[in-house]
Amino acid sequence: AQSVTQPDIHITVSEGASLELRCNYSYGATPYLFWYVQSPGQGLQLLLKYFSGDTLVQGIKGFEAEFKRSQSSFNLRKPSVHWSDAAEYFCAVAASGGSYIPTFGRGTSLIVHP
Amino acid sequence: NAGVTQTPKFQVLKTGQSMTLQCAQDMNHEYMSWYRQDPGMGLRLIHYSVGAGITDQGEVPNGYNVSRSTTEDFPLRLLSAAPSQTSVYFCASSYNSYYEQYFGPGTRLTVT
Repeated sequence: AQSVTQPDIHITVSEGASLELRCNYSYGATPYLFWYVQSPGQGLQLLLKYFSGDTLVQGIKGFEAEFKRSQSSFNLRKPSVHWSDAAEYFCAVAASGGSYIPTFGRGTSLIVHP
Repeated sequence: NAGVTQTPKFQVLKTGQSMTLQCAQDMNHEYMSWYRQDPGMGLRLIHYSVGAGITDQGEVPNGYNVSRSTTEDFPLRLLSAAPSQTSVYFCASSYNSYYEQYFGPGTRLTVT
């Protein structure tokens, strides 16, 4: 069965600093990988996705993520965080081991200090 | 396009009451799903459907029923509400389960 781990429950950064949110998945074959963002009181919105090809994918709002098969990771990055980036971030994976039904991580809450 | 709509936005139930959370999408998506979101637990899949007439259980299906009579609608029924079902419920839809999921705004349910 597939699973997704987001090891950081909370991350605090200063505005303008760089950001990396970690995501690890457990499944051997190449999965479909996603990052979603949830602003307070809202539903989830897709930031970016990886299906195949270039392992560095660009998303909306200046975010990018890199798929590293050897580390089973799909970490989300942003070079300079803005106060409006404060939100909950979810990594998700869909793979054959889970019948391609997406599994979500528990989320990482990003706090941005001015 | 309205996208994915959910009603109601908020609901308070007493233990033992039943109710239906409504979900509709106007994107002609085959795949629809229901999640519950609880603090520290992320999103947990309750039920999903890969097309009209086809539903299946997710990770936490107990206490919930679904049906999919049309492509557009995917209601979630709470049979006999319990305080443990206090949560925020999200409906999502997609062309396929491994494509981008489009989420509704959520329903905040409190069971007293």
